[in-house]
Amino acid sequence: AQSVAQPEDQVNVAEGNPLTVKCTYSVSGNPYLFWYVQYPNRGLQFLLKYITGDNLVKGSYGFEAEFNKSQTSFHLKKPSALVSDSALYFCAVRGASGTYKYIFGTGTRLKVLA
Amino acid sequence: NAGVTQTPKFRVLKTGQSMTLLCAQDMNHEYMYWYRQDPGMGLRLIHYSVGEGTTAKGEVPDGYNVSRLKKQNFLLGLESAAPSQTSVYFCASSLAGTLYGELFFGEGSRLTVL
Repeated sequence: AQSVAQPEDQVNVAEGNPLTVKCTYSVSGNPYLFWYVQYPNRGLQFLLKYITGDNLVKGSYGFEAEFNKSQTSFHLKKPSALVSDSALYFCAVRGASGTYKYIFGTGTRLKVLA
Repeated sequence: NAGVTQTPKFRVLKTGQSMTLLCAQDMNHEYMYWYRQDPGMGLRLIHYSVGEGTTAKGEVPDGYNVSRLKKQNFLLGLESAAPSQTSVYFCASSLAGTLYGELFFGEGSRLTVL
């Protein structure tokens, strides 16, 4: 069965500092991994995805994520946080070919302090 | 483009009443999904559809029914609402050709069951 874990309910970081939001996954076969962001009272917006290839994936708004197969992790990173990055972040996984379900983590609230 | 549109955005029901949430997408996507979002639980998949006339159960399907009579529409029904169904419901869609494509979300429908 597919599963995703986001071990931190909230991450606080000072503006200008690097940020990391953690995600680990469990899936049969090759994982297809995604990060989404949700602003208050809005739907989720796609940030980036890992399907295959380079383990470092670059996405929207300066975010990137590193796929680590041995640690089954897909952590979201940004070199310099902005106050406007404050939002709820979700990691999601989709399993091998033939599986259409996207399973989401419980979300991590990022708070960037000015 | 409107993208994914959900109606209604807000609804209050009494226990035992029925209602239908409508999701419409104008991107010609094959796959459509209904999720519910609850605090501390992230997004949980209720039902999904991989094409017109086909539906399948997700993680938490009990108490809900769905229909996909037209490719662009995905309806979520509550036959007899219960307070446990108080939640924010999100519809999402994705392309089928890109097997591992990202999801596009609606803005959500907030349902309260008294």
